[in-house]
Amino acid sequence: QVQLQESGPGLVRPSQTLSLTCTVSGDSITNGGYYWNWIRLHPEKGLQWIGYRYYSGSAYYDPSFGSRVTISLDTSKNQFSLTLTSVTAADTAVYFCARKAPVTSWFDPWGQGTLVTVSS
Amino acid sequence: QSALTQPASVSGSPGQSISISCTGTTSDVGGYSYVSWYQHHPGKAPKLMIYDVTKRPSGISNRFSGSKSGNTASLTISGLQAVDEADYYCCSYTSSNTNYVFGGGTKVTVL
Repeated sequence: QVQLQESGPGLVRPSQTLSLTCTVSGDSITNGGYYWNWIRLHPEKGLQWIGYRYYSGSAYYDPSFGSRVTISLDTSKNQFSLTLTSVTAADTAVYFCARKAPVTSWFDPWGQGTLVTVSS
Repeated sequence: QSALTQPASVSGSPGQSISISCTGTTSDVGGYSYVSWYQHHPGKAPKLMIYDVTKRPSGISNRFSGSKSGNTASLTISGLQAVDEADYYCCSYTSSNTNYVFGGGTKVTVL
């Protein structure tokens, strides 16, 4: 079965760049036409969808992030990554990676998440 | 402020049934049959419990059921068990440019 695991620094300074990686095991990220997503959990606000990268390369992001966000695929390592620039304390959250199958509206499976704190 | 509104907490005794509501608008919950529910034990991966409003993935207990009326979707847990104690989040596709919106989460406590 497919499993996802997030990794990356737990502390990022304000105005710096947050970079996280999701390692996929159990299947290739280029198989099946899946969408590879990042979702975050704010302590008080709940979950927020950040965006996805399609297996073929196209991407779509929540417009509230503007040009700060990029999701990329590394097919050689079977990983996908999140880059979020110019972070502030409001970006402190648990970040999850998740897969979405084509022509579906749900996310499954998810990684267990990684806490990122933005603080000086 | 989450796009979908859920109660912050719901509690029940073992064996009882509880329901969690998820209220949106005609642009999301009310406009599409694309509501999903996730169970989250902190520190673990969120788990898909219901998709397309009423459908259960393979392996999910039939104690979990979903429904929708107008702009409000609901997750019902029957025969409440201690293992059901977790946070639950609803999600809906939305016609806005956000694509997907979530609720703020509901903490289920088994008394």
